[in-house]
Amino acid sequence: AQSVTQPDIHITVSEGASLELRCNYSYGATPYLFWYVQSPGQGLQLLLKYFSGDTLVQGIKGFEAEFKRSQSSFNLRKPSVHWSDAAEYFCAVGVRGGGADGLTFGKGTHLIIQP
Amino acid sequence: DAGVIQSPRHEVTEMGQEVTLRCKPISGHNSLFWYRQTMMRGLELLIYFNNNVPIDDSGMPEDRFSAKMPNASFSTLKIQPSEPRDSAVYFCASSLGDGSGYTFGSGTRLTVV
Repeated sequence: AQSVTQPDIHITVSEGASLELRCNYSYGATPYLFWYVQSPGQGLQLLLKYFSGDTLVQGIKGFEAEFKRSQSSFNLRKPSVHWSDAAEYFCAVGVRGGGADGLTFGKGTHLIIQP
Repeated sequence: DAGVIQSPRHEVTEMGQEVTLRCKPISGHNSLFWYRQTMMRGLELLIYFNNNVPIDDSGMPEDRFSAKMPNASFSTLKIQPSEPRDSAVYFCASSLGDGSGYTFGSGTRLTVV
C-alpha cells in the first residue's frame, strides 16, 4: 500500500521569503502525486499534480513542485510567500490504473506566515 | 459548475441520535469519496464509490457507519447511533475516476455531545 510522509508539522516563514514544503512517498511504481491546500473552515483545493513527463510541475497561486524519483520526493516550493498563503498543505499519492482512484494523504504541514 | 455540495455545513447532535450527511458530486464525475478529518488522525478515507457502486469500505470505522449512493448525483453517510468520538469534519469529494485528482466539498462539521 502507498504512504505519504510530510516530516514538518509546522513551518514558519516570513512574508516575501521563499518556501519549501517536504513530501516523501512510498509506492511500488511511479505514482500520481498531488498537493492540496486547506484554508481554515474550508475544503481542500488542488494546487498542482504530477502524472508523467516534466518532473517540474507548475500550479496555481505561484506554487511549483518537483518530482524526484531517486528520492521518492515531491516537494512544494514558492519563491515568495504572501500572508494569504497561511494554511494547511497536504501532499497525496494516487494509485495508477483504471477504476476508482483513492488518494492517500499525508498528515499535513501547517504554514504560518510572519509579517 | 457549483462544485461538490455538502449539507449540512454544521451538525450538532446528542449521543445516540442518528446523523445523515449528504453530498452532491460534480455532474459527470463517476467516483465519489467520503473522508473524515480529525486533529489526531488527519484525513481518513472512509469509503469510495465508482459508478454508484461501493468499491472499498475498509475505512468505515464501525458498523454504526453506512454509506449509500442511490444515483450518480447523490450520496449519504449515516451514523447510527452517533457517539462523541465521531465528532469530526466529514468531507465528500468526487473525481472523473482517471486519477486526475479530487474536487472536495466544503465539509460537514459534526459535533456529537
